[in-house]
Amino acid sequence: DTGVSQDPRHKITKRGQNVTFRCDPISEHNRLYWYRQTLGQGPEFLTYFQNEAQLEKSRLLSDRFSAERPKGSFSTLEIQRTEQGDSAMYLCASSLWNTNTGELFFGEGSRLTVL
Amino acid sequence: GENVEQHPSTLSVQEGDSAVIKCTYSDSASNYFPWYKQELGKRPQLIIDIRSNVGEKKDQRIAVTLNKTAKHFSLHITETQPEDSAVYFCAASLTSGGSYIPTFGRGTSLIVHP
Repeated sequence: DTGVSQDPRHKITKRGQNVTFRCDPISEHNRLYWYRQTLGQGPEFLTYFQNEAQLEKSRLLSDRFSAERPKGSFSTLEIQRTEQGDSAMYLCASSLWNTNTGELFFGEGSRLTVL
Repeated sequence: GENVEQHPSTLSVQEGDSAVIKCTYSDSASNYFPWYKQELGKRPQLIIDIRSNVGEKKDQRIAVTLNKTAKHFSLHITETQPEDSAVYFCAASLTSGGSYIPTFGRGTSLIVHP
């Protein structure tokens, strides 16, 4: 499967712990997005990269959240001092900018449960 | 920023009926409107999209219409089948100036009864 892959698929942690998620985009895609999805809601934008540059972060994104894409390939999303409200599905998506389509290719997500 | 409202939240139809899902957006500068389908436990996948220079687009049993003046767009599915059962998300975005951040609606859970 050459699609977007995310790891881990499920993470259960205790409040106050740090967690890190990894996303491997489709190899030729230059843009990478992180979204958060809670039950009954649509994906909510967190941040996105073009190559290794982080172009924008949501104003709603707490400073406990940090994302990197060090070599313009895979990306990591770290949540420090997790809170119960961080429980959600974290979706990664990639796209090839400078095409006629704005299609995002999503991974299957990393589900976080904070106890 | 952009705000997208989507209705209904749940839609139940009989197989063979048509289904319509409606979305409104707030930013008149938005020019790209994709629709994603998310089956239970699966990733969202693009099923159709429309740009602001077009009023309607069709792809087999699905179609999308756009009314720029009213700032609303709709997804139409004809001859529904059980495999159409899923959550459908609309989104809106501006695709110029290099920035492209789709804002999604809350989703519509479509249930097609055999």
